[in-house]
Amino acid sequence: GNSVTQMEGPVTLSEEAFLTINCTYTATGYPSLFWYVQYPGEGLQLLLKATKADDKGSNKGFEATYRKETTSFHLEKGSVQVSDSAVYFCALRSFTGGGNKLTFGTGTQLKVEL
Amino acid sequence: EAGVVQSPRYKIIEKKQPVAFWCNPISGHNTLYWYRQNLGQGPELLIRYENEEAVDDSQLPKDRFSAERLKGVDSTLKIQPAELGDSAVYLCASRESSGSLNEQFFGPGTRLTVL
Repeated sequence: GNSVTQMEGPVTLSEEAFLTINCTYTATGYPSLFWYVQYPGEGLQLLLKATKADDKGSNKGFEATYRKETTSFHLEKGSVQVSDSAVYFCALRSFTGGGNKLTFGTGTQLKVEL
Repeated sequence: EAGVVQSPRYKIIEKKQPVAFWCNPISGHNTLYWYRQNLGQGPELLIRYENEEAVDDSQLPKDRFSAERLKGVDSTLKIQPAELGDSAVYLCASRESSGSLNEQFFGPGTRLTVL
């Protein structure tokens, strides 16, 4: 079946540091890949997505590239801010078996300090 | 435009009691999802509706969980009776059905604590 593995947190960084959160996946077919962000007390928000190999998703300074050869979709940001503190979820969407079904990783908590 | 609305935001009950969660999706979104998110985990799909039809309920524990979406808009998820292991955040999401690549929008969730 489909699965997503992401690095465990919490990840603690100083403001303006470089961020990488690793994500690898297992899926049949050609899934779409997503990063969602969950701020405290709020629902999940789509951060970025990529729908095919070599696509780069980007939003709010975050980037991730769909690497089919390594089955990875690592999240990066060049300079984090305190406001980026949240939990980040990697997810994939596969249409095998029908429906728009998302499979999530366990989430990685990011803490950014001054 | 209002997002996905869920209520209540928090619920504390004793085990063996019933509990119900309500979701109002974004207007015009025909597809509705219920997810359960255990502490420190990612959300897991419980059930998916296309209009009023439950098209994927394979992960719904049917002995104690039930859901309905009678008019194809609002939805209710019920647990009866609740168990300690049901403590989690229950998320509702909705999506326009017209395009297969359309994004799911999530509500803030209902945090359930079973004592």
